[in-house]
Order: sequence, then structure tokens, then C-alpha cells
Amino acid sequence: AQSVTQPDIHITVSEGASLELRCNYSYGATPYLFWYVQSPGQGLQLLLKYFSGDTLVQGIKGFEAEFKRSQSSFNLRKPSVHWSDAAEYFCAVGANYGQNFVFGPGTRLSVLP
Amino acid sequence: NAGVTQTPKFQVLKTGQSMTLQCAQDMNHNSMYWYRQDPGMGLRLIYYSASEGTTDKGEVPNGYNVSRLNKREFSLRLESAAPSQTSVYFCASSSSLVDTQYFGPGTRLTVL
Repeated sequence: AQSVTQPDIHITVSEGASLELRCNYSYGATPYLFWYVQSPGQGLQLLLKYFSGDTLVQGIKGFEAEFKRSQSSFNLRKPSVHWSDAAEYFCAVGANYGQNFVFGPGTRLSVLP
Repeated sequence: NAGVTQTPKFQVLKTGQSMTLQCAQDMNHNSMYWYRQDPGMGLRLIYYSASEGTTDKGEVPNGYNVSRLNKREFSLRLESAAPSQTSVYFCASSSSLVDTQYFGPGTRLTVL
């Protein structure tokens, strides 16, 4: 079965600074990878996804993520953080058999003015 | 399109009571899911339905039952609620098991 780790429980950055949220997965084949964002009291919204092809994926709200097979990673980046980006971010991995979708524990992002 | 809707938004139960959480989607998706979200544990899959007429256990199915009523609706039932089931419950749907999942707004359940 696949698994996902997000090493950082909580990250604080200043508005305008760059951001990188880490995600590592464990899966025997090429995974389907996702990043979701959850604002307080809300459901989850998809930021971006990787199925195949170009390993640098662009998403909504200026986010991008890079799939690195050699490092089993799918890190999320944004060049300049806005106060509205404060939220919880979840990495997820999908598979085409078995227990098919696993979420990481999440990283909470705080943004300082 | 409403997307994925869940009812109720909030619920308080006493230990031993039963209740059903309702979920409906209007995106013609084949697959539907129930998750629970607890602080520091991310989302954990309770049950899922790959397609109409099928249901399967996820990571934490004990104490829950589900019904895929039709293609649109997927309900989650707690037969005898326990304080350990205090959580936020999310329903999601997707066109297939490996595709993007779309989430409802959640149900906050407290069991006293």
C-alpha cells in the first residue's frame, strides 16, 4: 500500500517570501500525485495534480510542484506567498488498485504580514 | 452545479445514539468516498464506493456502515456512536478511483 509523509507540521513565512512544502511518498509504481488546500472551516480544494508527462506541474493560485522519482518527492512551491495562502496543505497519492487514495498528515502554513 | 453536498453541517449525539450522514454529488461521478479528519492525522478513508452497487472498506471502517443508494448518493451510518467518533466527516467524489476527488463542505460531529 502507498503512504505519504509531510515532514513539516507547521511552517511560518513572511508575506512575499518564497515557499516550499515537502511531500514524500512510498509506492511501488508510478503514482498519481495531488496537492490539496484546506482553508479554515472549509472542505479541500485541488491545487494541482501529476499523472504523467512533464514533471513540473502548474496549478491554481500560482502554485507549482515538481515530481522527482529518484527522491520519491512531490514538493509544492510558490515564489511569493500572499496572506490569503494561510491554510492547511495536504499531499495525496493515488493508485489504481487496492486502497487507492492516501493523504499525508498535512502542513499548516501561517503567513506573517 | 452544487458539486458535493453534505447534510447535516453540525450534529451532536449522545453515546449509543445512531445517525446517518448524507452525501450527494451532481457531477455524474462514478466513485464516492467518506473520510474523517482528526487533528494531526490528515484525512483517513472510512469507506469508498468505486461505482454504483459496490462499496469497500478503507483504513478506518470499524463502527461505520455505508450505502451507495444510487449513482448520486452515498450515505454513512453510525449505528451506536462513541466519543472516539467525534470528528469532521468529509464526503468526496471522483470520476474514477485515481482521478481528482472533489470534496463536500464537511459535517462536524460531536459525540458526548
